[in-house]
Amino acid sequence: AQSVAQPEDQVNVAEGNPLTVKCTYSVSGNPYLFWYVQYPNRGLQFLLKYITGDNLVKGSYGFEAEFNKSQTSFHLKKPSALVSDSALYFCAVRDIRDDKIIFGKGTRLHILP
Amino acid sequence: EAQVTQNPRYLITVTGKKLTVTCSQNMNHEYMSWYRQDPGLGLRQIYYSMNVEVTDKGDVPEGYKVSRKEKRNFPLILESPSPNQTSLYFCASSLGGGRFSYEQYFGPGTRLTVT
Repeated sequence: AQSVAQPEDQVNVAEGNPLTVKCTYSVSGNPYLFWYVQYPNRGLQFLLKYITGDNLVKGSYGFEAEFNKSQTSFHLKKPSALVSDSALYFCAVRDIRDDKIIFGKGTRLHILP
Repeated sequence: EAQVTQNPRYLITVTGKKLTVTCSQNMNHEYMSWYRQDPGLGLRQIYYSMNVEVTDKGDVPEGYKVSRKEKRNFPLILESPSPNQTSLYFCASSLGGGRFSYEQYFGPGTRLTVT
């Protein structure tokens, strides 16, 4: 069965420092991978996705993620964090064999001024 | 404006009283889905639909029903709600699924409390 793990419930980063939010996945076939962000009292917003091609994908608000097939990881990164990046981040995977989507449990990102 | 709308946004009800949460999208999307969000559990998929009259179970379908009679609408039905269905519910839609696998657009959420 497919699964997604976000090993950190919370990540604290000082403003201006680089940030990483970790995600590992398990699927039988080729994965489609997504990152979403949820601001307080809001629905989820799409950040970026990996379907195929270049392992480094760039998305909204300066975020990027690197697909690593051997480590089954899809970590979210940003070179310089902003206080406004503070939010709840979700990694999600869709197995190519069906259309179910599995989300991780989320990582709360705190950017400290 | 392209959007996914859900109604109601907040609902408090009692055990066993049937309810429906509506979801509508104006983007002509084929794929629609319902999720519930619970603290510590993230989002879990309840049901999804690839197109009109096509629905499939997600990971937590028990106690829920859906229908897709029109492309734009995907209501979530709780025939006999129970307290363990107290949660925050999100509807989402995307252009397609399968090998196209487009990103999803989410509604604003419906906070349901069952007493």
